[in-house]
Amino acid sequence: DTEVTQTPKHLVMGMTNKKSLKCEQHMGHRAMYWYKQKAKKPPELMFVYSYEKLSINESVPSRFSPECPNSSLLNLHLHALQPEDSALYLCASSSGVFTGELFFGEGSRLTVL
Amino acid sequence: GENVEQHPSTLSVQEGDSAVIKCTYSDSASNYFPWYKQELGKRPQLIIDIRSNVGEKKDQRIAVTLNKTAKHFSLHITETQPEDSAVYFCAATLRSGGYQKVTFGTGTKLQVIP
Repeated sequence: DTEVTQTPKHLVMGMTNKKSLKCEQHMGHRAMYWYKQKAKKPPELMFVYSYEKLSINESVPSRFSPECPNSSLLNLHLHALQPEDSALYLCASSSGVFTGELFFGEGSRLTVL
Repeated sequence: GENVEQHPSTLSVQEGDSAVIKCTYSDSASNYFPWYKQELGKRPQLIIDIRSNVGEKKDQRIAVTLNKTAKHFSLHITETQPEDSAVYFCAATLRSGGYQKVTFGTGTKLQVIP
């Protein structure tokens, strides 16, 4: 299984809602990532988990809260988002053992009204 | 931190012609350089990569070159086809502990005209 699975594929939420994005991989990868991608821009790193510990937080606002319940799962909890947070949220994983590729999920397209 | 510049931002070529995309990076510690292709509404997909101890790598119509001294690397696509039309991102990767810190270039929108 070489897939990274993200749910939901599409999410529409109001600024007062609380929602979560989920990501799962079964490749035994020990590093997992959240990226945000706006239209016509490159993916922008948000968070990195390595061996289930938060290793990087790229100064992301606290309305985004990551969680890594175990080595296969990664969540992104969303609360009190702004319309400018509308974007494609990509989860990725890598083996973390040697320099290698990122495996991206299909992404969750988020619209904040 | 790492900074990756990518040129051109858009590129139009006739089908069958070659396309070249160039990137430069700033951190000499970066040691892995992947190229991703992203079609509209889809995830980035790795098309070719090169490690810092290699100068050139080829996979069918796609090749990548790396000049570590000058800190630049390039993607070459020969005999372009309409299905090559997409946005291409270069990236420079720094391994830190158990993860990769990947910095993407700004992207090149390639249009192959039939």
